[in-house]
Amino acid sequence: GIQVEQSPPDLILQEGANSTLRCNFSDSVNNLQWFHQNPWGQLINLFYIPSGTKQNGRLSATTVATERYSLLYISSSQTTDSGVYFCAAGTASKLTFGTGTRLQVTL
Amino acid sequence: DTEVTQTPKHLVMGMTNKKSLKCEQHMGHRAMYWYKQKAKKPPELMFVYSYEKLSINESVPSRFSPECPNSSLLNLHLHALQPEDSALYLCASSQEARGETQYFGPGTRLLVL
Repeated sequence: GIQVEQSPPDLILQEGANSTLRCNFSDSVNNLQWFHQNPWGQLINLFYIPSGTKQNGRLSATTVATERYSLLYISSSQTTDSGVYFCAAGTASKLTFGTGTRLQVTL
Repeated sequence: DTEVTQTPKHLVMGMTNKKSLKCEQHMGHRAMYWYKQKAKKPPELMFVYSYEKLSINESVPSRFSPECPNSSLLNLHLHALQPEDSALYLCASSQEARGETQYFGPGTRLLVL
C-alpha cells in the first residue's frame, strides 16, 4: 500500500513564528488532505488538496502531485495551533495517514 | 452544518461484553467511515460504507461488526474484544466515496479490561 511520511516529527515554535510541514507519499494519489488533531482528539480538516495551492487565513498548502509531496505552511503561529498535524493520502475513499507532526507553540 | 456526532464519548467494557458505538451525520453525505487510532499513532482505516453498502473492509477481525441502517447512521458492534483493541474510534463522512473532504466526529475512547 501507499506509504506516507511526514517531517519533522516534532516542532516547537514561539508564538508568531512561521513553519513548514512536509508530507511525502510513495504512489500517485487523487486524494490528499491535511488535518489538525487537537489535544482532545478531534480531527479537523484543514485542506483537501490533491494538487495545487490553497490558502485559508494563516494556513496555506501546496501539493506537487508529480513529485509526490505536499507542504503545509503555518504563519504567525498561535498557541491554539498546538496539536498534531496529519497528512492523509490515497485514492478515492481510501486514505492512509502519515505519522504526523506534533507542534507545540509556546508564549 | 458540518457536524458528525458519536456516542458514547467514553466506553469501558470487559472482554465478554457486547457493546455498540454510534455515529450520525445530517449533511446528506453518502459515504461513512470507521477509523481506529491507538495512542500516539495515526488513524487507521477500518471500514468504508458507500450508499449504505460496505465497500471497504481493511481485514478487520470479525469481533468488530459494522452496520449502516440508513444514510445518516453508522454503528460499530463490538463483541469479545481484547485489551489491545483499546483505542480512540473515529467516525467520518464525506459527500461520496470518490475522494472528497472527510469530516470527523469527536471519537469514542474505548477501554477493554
